[in-house]
Order: sequence, then structure tokens, then C-alpha cells
Amino acid sequence: QKEVEQDPGPLSVPEGAIVSLNCTYSNSAFQYFMWYRQYSRKGPELLMYTYSSGNKEDGRFTAQVDKSSKYISLFIRDSQPSDSATYLCAMKIETEYGNKLVFGAGTILRVKS
Amino acid sequence: NAGVTQTPKFQVLKTGQSMTLQCAQDMNHNSMYWYRQDPGMGLRLIYYSASEGTTDKGEVPNGYNVSRLNKREFSLRLESAAPSQTSVYFCASSEDRERGYTFGSGTRLTVV
Repeated sequence: QKEVEQDPGPLSVPEGAIVSLNCTYSNSAFQYFMWYRQYSRKGPELLMYTYSSGNKEDGRFTAQVDKSSKYISLFIRDSQPSDSATYLCAMKIETEYGNKLVFGAGTILRVKS
Repeated sequence: NAGVTQTPKFQVLKTGQSMTLQCAQDMNHNSMYWYRQDPGMGLRLIYYSASEGTTDKGEVPNGYNVSRLNKREFSLRLESAAPSQTSVYFCASSEDRERGYTFGSGTRLTVV
């Protein structure tokens, strides 16, 4: 079993829809939870970052963490064609050698105009 | 612009050839990382370096070696390339407790 599970999609929605992207994890030692957005043929870029359980909002994006269920979500309101990308969840763990990020497989999102 | 620079952007190798992927960051970050990205697999950590002079294995280190040349540069070497190493390689850097990693734009490697 992978440490981080993410449905690869693709997920296709009409413009203006609410999008829900999800990841589950198995390692209780994960301390920080992130969402990265990756456009085609580009490197991932940090979109959202959370530490504690609960919701964090940034414009049209809301990140949700439920540590008791080991489940994180990213919601996109009023989705736009420019939101079409691959969304990767990532979780950070501290080790004696430094910190490491473990990524989900990524969900491909297509927003149709 | 500040960030992570990777070279080359594209490379085709024959099986058995060797090459080094270069990575440099100008943000004075302590930690640097090499990931590979394959369809359906997400990003998998190959090697990382928490500080200058230290390196450690990640999830998929076999067939690779790394060198942390100085604080800015972290190179990845394939000694004898295999078709299974066809992938997109990303370098990243971070501060020890910074929120996220900054990624380069990637190197697309094909081994034939």
C-alpha cells in the first residue's frame, strides 16, 4: 500500500463547477500537508499549505485536513479553464536526515469552457 | 529570476551511456532533492541532501548517484542508463522548515 493515495482521474468538469480533489494517507507522522499544481511540461508549484486539521481558504481554493481520518481535500470554486492542470497532494515528514515530501500520484483536472 | 535551474531540458541516451543532470538554486536553501515523475506514479524521491556535504537515499535510488558540489549545486548521475530510467526528472530545494519546495522545470530523459 502506498503511503499517499490519490485518484489519478482524469476529472472533467464544466466551467463554473465546484471541484473536489482528495487524498488519503497511512503514516501518522506526516506533519504538513500541501497541494501543488502542475501545468503540462512544467514543474510543480505550491498552491496551498496547511498544518493542522480544519479548513484554510485562499481565494477560490479551500484546503481541508482531517487528521483523525487521514484525509485531505482541495476544493476549487467557480472553476476556470485556466485551472486545467494536474493537482498533486504532498505530505511532509521530518527525519533525522532532514525533511522529505511524499507525493500522491496526481489528479488530472480538465475544466471545459 | 530567482529559482531552481536544471540542465539539460531534454536528453536522449542509448542504453549503457552515462550522463549527469545538473541543478542549481540561488535562494540560499540548505536542502535539495531529486525526484522522478512517471505516469500514474506521481513524484518519487531519488536522493536528497539536507545540507552541503550530506546526501541520503530516497525511495528509488538504484542506478543513480548524486553529488552536492556546494550549497548551490546538486547533480544527479546515471552511470549506465537503462530504458527503465526514461522519465522526467525534477530538482527541488527548500529551507529546513520552509513551507514548501521550489521545483525546477524538469529534464525529459529518454533511454533507447
